Formats: sequence, structure tokens, C-alpha cells
Amino acid sequence: GESVGLHLPTLSVQEGDNSIINCAYSNSASDYFIWYKQESGKGPQFIIDIRSNMDKRQGQRVTVLLNKTVKHLSLQIAATQPGDSAVYFCAEKYQGGKLIFGQGTELSVKP
Amino acid sequence: DVKVTQSSRYLVKRTGEKVFLECVQDMDHENMFWYRQDPGLGLRLIYFSYDVKMKEKGDIPEGYSVSREKKERFSLILESASTNQTSMYLCASSPITGLSSYNEQFFGPGTRLTVL
Repeated sequence: GESVGLHLPTLSVQEGDNSIINCAYSNSASDYFIWYKQESGKGPQFIIDIRSNMDKRQGQRVTVLLNKTVKHLSLQIAATQPGDSAVYFCAEKYQGGKLIFGQGTELSVKP
Repeated sequence: DVKVTQSSRYLVKRTGEKVFLECVQDMDHENMFWYRQDPGLGLRLIYFSYDVKMKEKGDIPEGYSVSREKKERFSLILESASTNQTSMYLCASSPITGLSSYNEQFFGPGTRLTVL
């Protein structure tokens, strides 16, 4: 069936380094993707999104890359800070407004 | 800013009790969603609603029902709570979408339900 998954369940980086979180999706018809950040005890928060007609989109310290050829999505965080420690989810849009969520990757930032 | 609120952050109930989880959004969004989040399973869609009095089953509707009497409020009901319904419950809302539109979902803080 269709699924969205993350390659790495945990990621540990040094403060100041760049982080890359990966996501694979299997629904080639998906046309919209979102990255969410979830801090402990809180609901997911929107970080950045990208439409399928784009390859790259940049926000503040974050960049999302979309490779439709291999159905791969990545989130890059520049100069990772302790406040970036959280679980990051990718999600793909299908069937109108519904989203499929990946399992999540836990990012841990070491000072 | 969009605000999605949930009636309780933590809830403890006993097996067999009827449980109501309330969600309210203040941005006049048409779509509302209920998910449960469990370790290793991610977010799974229980029910969603595209409009008042409308509801659609998600991926895991068994044991749950929903009610949407007003646009801003979406309630999740556990008719007879069971221990396997112990979980984090997340409500979300989003503006109306068609097949070709794009929208993010805005989440509430979650309700951690424990069924004893």
C-alpha cells in the first residue's frame, strides 16, 4: 500500500552543525508535502511545505528538497540549535485534505 | 494565528467509561481531524469532518465516534473505553481543500488519555 516512511528513527548532531532528515514516500500521485516538528508534550507544528512542481524550498534555516524521481523528501536544518531538538515528521497529501504521516525522526542536538 | 484547543491535556478513565474529547478551532476552518499517536506507529487518522454534521472514517475508526454540531467544534467519543485506547489524541484543522489545493493542518496540544 501507499506509505510515507523515514530512513532514520534517531539523529544526533552537534550544536552548530547542519542536520538532514530524510523521508521516502511511495505514492507518486502525491502533490503536496509537509514537514512538522513536535516537541515533547506538544502537538506537531508546521515547519515548511513543498508542492510537487518544485524541487526545493527554503525557509528560515530550513530547506526542503523533493526528488520525485526516487520519491524522496529531505529536511535540512542549518546551524542546528538545542531548540531544534524534537521529533520531525514528514507528511504527504492524498484524497483531498487528508495527510499520511511518516513515523518520525527524533533529532537530538548535543551542546 | 490559528488556535486549536483541546479540552484536557491529561485524562484518566476506567475501562467501560464513555469518554468525550473536545476540540475547538478559532479560524473558521471547514476541515477537522482526530488522530491518535502511539510510539512506533506515528499519527493515525481516526475520523475527519469536512463540514458541520459531516463525518468520514479514517484509518482506525473502530471503537470511536465523532460529532460535529458546530463548525468550530469537533468531538471524539469513546463509547466504552478500553485499555488499548490509551494513547495521545491529537486534533487538527485545516481550511477547505479541493483536489488541487494545498493546505497544512494545524494541530492542538494533544490529550494524553490513560484507560485503566
